[in-house]
Amino acid sequence: GQNIDQPTEMTATEGAIVQINCTYQTSGFNGLFWYQQHAGEAPTFLSYNVLDGLEEKGRFSSFLSRSKGYSYLLLKELQMKDSASYLCAVMDSNYQLIWGAGTKLIIKP
Amino acid sequence: TAGITQAPTSQILAAGRSMTLRCTQDMRHNAMYWYRQDLGLGLRLIHYSNTAGTTGKGEVPDGYSVSRANTDDFPLTLASAVPSQTSVYFCASSEGQGDTGELFFGEGSRLTVL
Repeated sequence: GQNIDQPTEMTATEGAIVQINCTYQTSGFNGLFWYQQHAGEAPTFLSYNVLDGLEEKGRFSSFLSRSKGYSYLLLKELQMKDSASYLCAVMDSNYQLIWGAGTKLIIKP
Repeated sequence: TAGITQAPTSQILAAGRSMTLRCTQDMRHNAMYWYRQDLGLGLRLIHYSNTAGTTGKGEVPDGYSVSRANTDDFPLTLASAVPSQTSVYFCASSEGQGDTGELFFGEGSRLTVL
């Protein structure tokens, strides 16, 4: 079966760095997405990786290793507004998105 | 730009009643999707449409139907609601299915079936 695993919850301190991991087992691979979802709101796109390596976008970076079925989202200089759930999703060989359950990130002052 | 609009925002429904969740997008995207989101689970695809006039079944299609008469609208109908359909429903769109582009989501419709 297809599976996306990510931690249920993480806690970090304002101003610090946090890494949210995602491992996947899917039928084929056509890219990995990270979305941010604030409580009670819609998910919004953060990043897309299809090749191995690190993609940097401001305070957020996303890494992919296809051979390991592994990705992480790195958030630097954490701000209180970064408190949200972070969703990992993989596009399989049929171009269908398989979603992880999300990681709830709690930022403490 | 409105993007994707869903209605209603929330609804309480008696079991056995029918309900249509509305979804309209103004981005002229070809592909549209309906997901449900339940606590502890990832987003699950209910139905999708790659282009106007076509629809397809997702991971959890039972008890739901959709139509895509035009590019902008993609309503989701529950013919006879059951309590297990209590969930938050998100409509989303993308420029094309399989184009590896980002999804744009509506604000969600919270449905409670009693």
